Amino acid sequence: SYELTQPPSLSVSPGQTATISCSGDNLGNKYASWYQHRPGQSPVLVIYHDSRRPSGVPERFSGSNSGNTAILTISETQALDEADYYCQTWDSSSNYVFGTGTKVTVL
Amino acid sequence: EVQLVESGGGLVDRGGSLKLSCAASGFTFSASAMGWVRQAPGKGLESVSAINAAGTTTFYADSVRGRFTISRDNDKNTLYLEMNTLKAEDAALYYCAKEGSSWSYGHWGLGTLVSVSS
Repeated sequence: SYELTQPPSLSVSPGQTATISCSGDNLGNKYASWYQHRPGQSPVLVIYHDSRRPSGVPERFSGSNSGNTAILTISETQALDEADYYCQTWDSSSNYVFGTGTKVTVL
Repeated sequence: EVQLVESGGGLVDRGGSLKLSCAASGFTFSASAMGWVRQAPGKGLESVSAINAAGTTTFYADSVRGRFTISRDNDKNTLYLEMNTLKAEDAALYYCAKEGSSWSYGHWGLGTLVSVSS
């Protein structure tokens, strides 16, 4: 089955840039999406189609996908960005696949 | 506005059964692929099952294949997940999700909690 690997955690200072990686075999040949998941809330799609932002998602969120790695970048990080972030792709054998998740702490 | 409202969760004995429902509104349900995603306590998101718009193609995670059945009623705008032979590891918050662009899940419900007693 297809797997996506993320770093377990990341700490960033307010105003700085957070960069979250997501690794998978030939991930660059698939579409990558990213979700923000705050405790007690439903996941929210923040990036789809590698780099597109849904309506209402701040421009601070950006994405890229090439080779074996997709990247979510959060610029000018704010306290409200503190959450778990999951990458996700679709694979013909595994269907929807989520990454292992990255806990982002803003301090 | 897209709304997805899950129901049917609860406490069940190991080996028991539950049927989850997801009532959809605010979009053309019959034109949308749907899925169930779960999160066990302290764990990450896991895609459990998915179904195409017509209900003719389904997917199951290896962990639930043969025990869970996904279905939909496009006349009632409702998605279902029938869960049988429940195991301790099936305990989780189960989310209903609507497929969006480029195989992403653009909308999610609030989830329904499934607990399995041993």
